[in-house]
Amino acid sequence: GAVVSQHPSRVICKSGTSVKIECRSLDFQATTMFWYRQFPKQSLMLMATSNEGSKATYEQGVEKDKFLINHASLTLSTLTVTSAHPEDSSFYICSAAQGIATNEKLFFGSGTQLSVL
Amino acid sequence: GDSVTQMEGPVTLSEEAFLTINCTYTATGYPSLFWYVQYPGEGLQLLLKATKADDKGSNKGFEATYRKETTSFHLEKGSVQVSDSAVYFCASNSGYALNFGKGTSLLVTP
Repeated sequence: GAVVSQHPSRVICKSGTSVKIECRSLDFQATTMFWYRQFPKQSLMLMATSNEGSKATYEQGVEKDKFLINHASLTLSTLTVTSAHPEDSSFYICSAAQGIATNEKLFFGSGTQLSVL
Repeated sequence: GDSVTQMEGPVTLSEEAFLTINCTYTATGYPSLFWYVQYPGEGLQLLLKATKADDKGSNKGFEATYRKETTSFHLEKGSVQVSDSAVYFCASNSGYALNFGKGTSLLVTP
């Protein structure tokens, strides 16, 4: 199946710094990408939906100035956690939709474990 | 809103044992239902899906039937293998995005 690469897989940073997470579709063009967040033993919660070339749509309760999403090309979306704090420590995972999305055309990255000290 | 509830893990089974992971959903409409699997160090992969009531999704020996009357989509496998050790997520669609359960970790021992 299609491959979505997410990088880095793990990052540890100091409080107050910013962290960028990349999500790339390696062998297909992704018009839409999704960013999820997962706390330990919790569901994956949708944070935002990004469409190439337009502003991301954030879910209720997600701070758009805190979690900056850029989807500048059909193969790359980035999530930047700005001025990270310990409560931002979580597992972040992206997914990419191939073409006109049906749910079986969603492909997931392997996730990024963020730890903020 | 729409949500998915699945049984808590971890689940530990011996090889060739029967597996059931329970999943129930709440939805205002008629969602499609999915099981995803995440093997260690890998991304989520679609395991199977069902799009309407009484549909049965199946793949790699796993099965799940969309039960509207009980709002359930339980995952079953008749004989698990060590290679089935992974985290399993039940999910429903809410338009484009997915609602996930918390995941159930399965460990199969030889």
